[in-house]
Amino acid sequence: GQNIDQPTEMTATEGAIVQINCTYQTSGFNGLFWYQQHAGEAPTFLSYNVLDGLEEKGRFSSFLSRSKGYSYLLLKELQMKDSASYLCAVKNDYKLSFGAGTTVTVRA
Amino acid sequence: GAGVSQSPSNKVTEKGKDVELRCDPISGHTALYWYRQRLGQGLEFLIYFQGNSAPDKSGLPSDRFSAERTGESVSTLTIQRTQQEDSAVYLCASSLQNYGYTFGSGTRLTVV
Repeated sequence: GQNIDQPTEMTATEGAIVQINCTYQTSGFNGLFWYQQHAGEAPTFLSYNVLDGLEEKGRFSSFLSRSKGYSYLLLKELQMKDSASYLCAVKNDYKLSFGAGTTVTVRA
Repeated sequence: GAGVSQSPSNKVTEKGKDVELRCDPISGHTALYWYRQRLGQGLEFLIYFQGNSAPDKSGLPSDRFSAERTGESVSTLTIQRTQQEDSAVYLCASSLQNYGYTFGSGTRLTVV
């Protein structure tokens, strides 16, 4: 079975840093994705981790520990446009299994 | 096309009616997926196509749901005798060799 957990909501101030954690217990693992989804829009790709460690891409970084079944997405220098839902997804062979998503609200 | 296109973007239907949802994947993408997203919930896998075949239909919630894909391109998800619990956003995604999944904007289905 697949169990992917992430917090439901987080609130942070513009310019701050927010870390969204994702823990997973899955029957297989071929990588972990993070997607951003604004209300009413398509999920858009943010990052992909298949090996342990930190991947940095501009203001966004993602970390993976396969032995702990743990990942986080780090959003730095928060902007108002970063208010969205962030989806953690585990890849097993061809299939992506998603957590319920974390809604991030950025306050001025 | 440049992205994954889904139509209609919104659909309101009466309980008991049949609906068809369409997905046009990125040209050349051999893999196609349908997901369902209920309000406030994560994406729920429905079905996976590789070419025109569907090796994994395990997520289809009942026999009222079916999907087909033709020409290794367009896919149609059909829901028969719609129920209120079918109300959700139906998302389609395509990928090349099961990597780099690109999602469409979805069809918001409301059953009244």
